Amino acid sequence: EDKVVQSPLSLVVHEGDTVTLNCSYEVTNFRSLLWYKQEKKAPTFLFMLTSSGIEKKSGRLSSILDKKELFSILNITATQTGDSAVYLCAVGRMEYGNKLVFGAGTILRVKS
Amino acid sequence: NAGVTQTPKFRVLKTGQSMTLLCAQDMNHEYMYWYRQDPGMGLRLIHYSVGEGTTAKGEVPDGYNVSRLKKQNFLLGLESAAPSQTSVYFCASSYSGLAGGGEQFFGPGTRLTVL
Repeated sequence: EDKVVQSPLSLVVHEGDTVTLNCSYEVTNFRSLLWYKQEKKAPTFLFMLTSSGIEKKSGRLSSILDKKELFSILNITATQTGDSAVYLCAVGRMEYGNKLVFGAGTILRVKS
Repeated sequence: NAGVTQTPKFRVLKTGQSMTLLCAQDMNHEYMYWYRQDPGMGLRLIHYSVGEGTTAKGEVPDGYNVSRLKKQNFLLGLESAAPSQTSVYFCASSYSGLAGGGEQFFGPGTRLTVL
């Protein structure tokens, strides 16, 4: 059975801290790993990773994938209160329909 | 370009009532999806569609039906609502084919409460 596990389930940090969110997976016919940010409403896309070892960056956020060890990390440096959200990891399989398997999410709260 | 829209935004039902949630997308995507999100459980796929006139079951399809009569619309129906269907429902769409990584674009969600 396909499985995506995120850790920690939640964490609280202070502004300016650096955080690392983890996502491990067991999925057949792996295609891609995606990170989404969810603030109350719709998940919004952050990154899509398909190759091992290639870091993707967007401002203070970065992510990398390890296809050998089957995990990904999402780093956020110099956190701000606006980073408070649920971060979702999802894995796509090489199959008709482009379905995604989601983890339960990590709740991040950044205190000022 | 509105992306993915959902109606209604909120709804309260009594047990046994029926309702339909409407999802519309203007990105000409072939694939569309309905998810439910419950606390601590992430997003779970209810049903999906790979094109107009097609539907398929996802991970948690029981108690729901769907229809895709037009490419841009995907309807989710609850024939006889139960309290266990209290949840936030998200619609999503994506490009077809194996090019790219399968990114899905999400609507704003519908919060449904069944009493």
